[in-house]
Amino acid sequence: KNEVEQSPQNLTAQEGEFITINCSYSVGISALHWLQQHPGGGIVSLFMLSSGKKKHGRLIATINIQEKHSSLHITASHPRDSAVYICAAPPSGTYKYIFGTGTRLKVLA
Amino acid sequence: NAGVMQNPRHLVRRRGQEARLRCSPMKGHSHVYWYRQLPEEGLKFMVYLQKENIIDESGMPKERFSAEFPKEGPSILRIQQVVRGDSAAYFCASSPYWDRNTGELFFGEGSRLTVL
Repeated sequence: KNEVEQSPQNLTAQEGEFITINCSYSVGISALHWLQQHPGGGIVSLFMLSSGKKKHGRLIATINIQEKHSSLHITASHPRDSAVYICAAPPSGTYKYIFGTGTRLKVLA
Repeated sequence: NAGVMQNPRHLVRRRGQEARLRCSPMKGHSHVYWYRQLPEEGLKFMVYLQKENIIDESGMPKERFSAEFPKEGPSILRIQQVVRGDSAAYFCASSPYWDRNTGELFFGEGSRLTVL
C-alpha cells in the first residue's frame, strides 16, 4: 500500500461538470501539495495547504489533517483542465516528498 | 523572475553513454531537489542539495548516479553508463529554504531521457 494514495486513477468528465479528486495518506504531515502535470509537460504547483480550504479560480483544495485526507475540486470543468493531478506530501520533519501516482483527468467538450 | 530551468528537455543516449542533466533553480533559491518519474509511475525523490553540499542522496542509486550543485552554475545530475532502465523523466525542483509548513517546491519542465 502506497503511503499516498489517490482516487480515482482515471476520470473522464463532460465539460461543465464538477470534479473531485481524492488523496489519502498514511504518513504524518504538516502540509500537502497539489500539482498539475500536462502530458509530456512540466509540473505546476496548484496549492500547498496545511488546514482548511484554499481556492484559486475554479480550483478548490481542502484538507483534514486529522483524517489524513485531502480533496481537489474543479468547478465548471473545461477541456483545458485535462491533465494529471498529483498530490504530494512531505513526511513531517523531512523534505522527501512522497507522491501519489496521479489522477488522469480528461474533460470532453 | 525565470522559473526553474532544466536542460536538455529531451536527451537520447545509447546504452553505456553518459547523460548530464542540468537544473538552474529559481533566482534566490539555494535548495535543489531531483526527482525521477519512471513511465507510468509516480515521482520518486532522488537527492537534495544545497550550494556545494549534498544534503541527502538516499534516493539515488548507489552506482552510476551522481549529483552536484556548485557554487557557480547549475545543479547537474550525472548518469554514467546508462541502461534502458534509466529512461525516465527527471524533474528538478527548488525552494528558497526548507520549512515543513511552507516549504513549497517549484518544479522545472523536466528532462526526458531515452536510452536506446
